[in-house]
Amino acid sequence: ETGVTQSPTHLIKTRGQQVTLRCSSQSGHNTVSWYQQALGQGPQFIFQYYREEENGRGNFPPRFSGLQFPNYSSELNVNALELDDSALYLCASSGRDFQETQYFGPGTRLLVL
Amino acid sequence: AQTVTQSQPEMSVQEAETVTLSCTYDTSENNYYLFWYKQPPSRQMILVIRQEAYKQQNATENRFSVNFQKAAKSFSLKISDSQLGDTAMYFCAFRENFGNEKLTFGTGTRLTIIP
Repeated sequence: ETGVTQSPTHLIKTRGQQVTLRCSSQSGHNTVSWYQQALGQGPQFIFQYYREEENGRGNFPPRFSGLQFPNYSSELNVNALELDDSALYLCASSGRDFQETQYFGPGTRLLVL
Repeated sequence: AQTVTQSQPEMSVQEAETVTLSCTYDTSENNYYLFWYKQPPSRQMILVIRQEAYKQQNATENRFSVNFQKAAKSFSLKISDSQLGDTAMYFCAFRENFGNEKLTFGTGTRLTIIP
């Protein structure tokens, strides 16, 4: 069974640029959630995708957008990067049964200069 | 909105000792799930233990157990016979039993196991 993978592991961008982060869900999982973890904080929910549709969104501006593909992998796009977007971005996958647990990938560390 | 509070930013304990991490939460829901996740320096968030609110029995996973007090909205994690590999950030998380499956996390407790 393949776990959740994310790419890239690290990324450096400058303010105003755009970035795309990628996530491959665990085998058999059809739901992907994205979280932002600022340094020294707990993860904050960005949004969730279920069967290619957004299924809930946290308190993040529209410049944070996402996509889920038919194979249930997912992308997180952030436009007009700001310094405060520097964080660890975590992807988690789960099955659609509400009893399912979310399993996390290793994260992408984004630094905005 | 649900909130999760971890009041111990840092803790340390000698190897082989027992340590308890505290977590309280606030919700008006009756059915929900609670989790403890571990995040070592490698960054990957790893599930430690899970508790369903409708179950009165406290969850256990080997050396890890919880004390779930639903009325008090308290969910503490006990680590017995602590090992050096237990050194990590520990996050308590809450999830509703309906709607999307978003997790609401606390701010974490940094646990250091001393040799």
